[in-house]
Amino acid sequence: ELKVEQNPLFLSMQEGKNYTIYCNYSTTSDRLYWYRQDPGKSLESLFVLLSNGAVKQEGRLMASLDTKARLSTLHITAAVHDLSATYFCAVVGLSNTGNQFYFGTGTSLTVIP
Amino acid sequence: DVKVTQSSRYLVKRTGEKVFLECVQDMDHENMFWYRQDPGLGLRLIYFSYDVKMKEKGDIPEGYSVSREKKERFSLILESASTNQTSMYLCASSPIQPLFRRVHQPQHFGDGTRLSIL
Repeated sequence: ELKVEQNPLFLSMQEGKNYTIYCNYSTTSDRLYWYRQDPGKSLESLFVLLSNGAVKQEGRLMASLDTKARLSTLHITAAVHDLSATYFCAVVGLSNTGNQFYFGTGTSLTVIP
Repeated sequence: DVKVTQSSRYLVKRTGEKVFLECVQDMDHENMFWYRQDPGLGLRLIYFSYDVKMKEKGDIPEGYSVSREKKERFSLILESASTNQTSMYLCASSPIQPLFRRVHQPQHFGDGTRLSIL
């Protein structure tokens, strides 16, 4: 079974600072997703990473993928309060019943003014 | 835009009741999923379906069943609700996700149902 681990689970950071969230997964996959979830809301897709070395950027968020290390990072640059949310990574893996999404535990980010 | 609609945002039921959670998607997606989300545990897959009348167990199927009579609708059933099934339930849908092809549709999620079992 594919395992997906995120760290940290909780992150409190000051506005203007930089930080990185890590997502490790245990077996081969050819795609990785990052989602954002605001309190009381559903998950919203942020990035899809499809190949080794892929990098996607949207505003103050940048995601990268290293398939050899089975690692993805979500880098936050000059954090602002609006980025406060829970961030999930998810990997598509092959199970005995076909393709399945495997989610990390999530990183709850709080940006403090 | 893909729309995944869950029938209730909040639901309160009693132990032993049979509970139905409904989910409808409007994008003709083949795959549909039910997750539960608990603090510190992330999303855990309960059941998924890749076609009408087809269902597969996820990681935590015990105490649950599902029904997919039509492509757009996927129902989660708690046969006899218990307090440890108090949780946030999320439904999602996606097109087929073939491996090793450049298809990269993410899952689309509903707003969730916060279920409390008393």
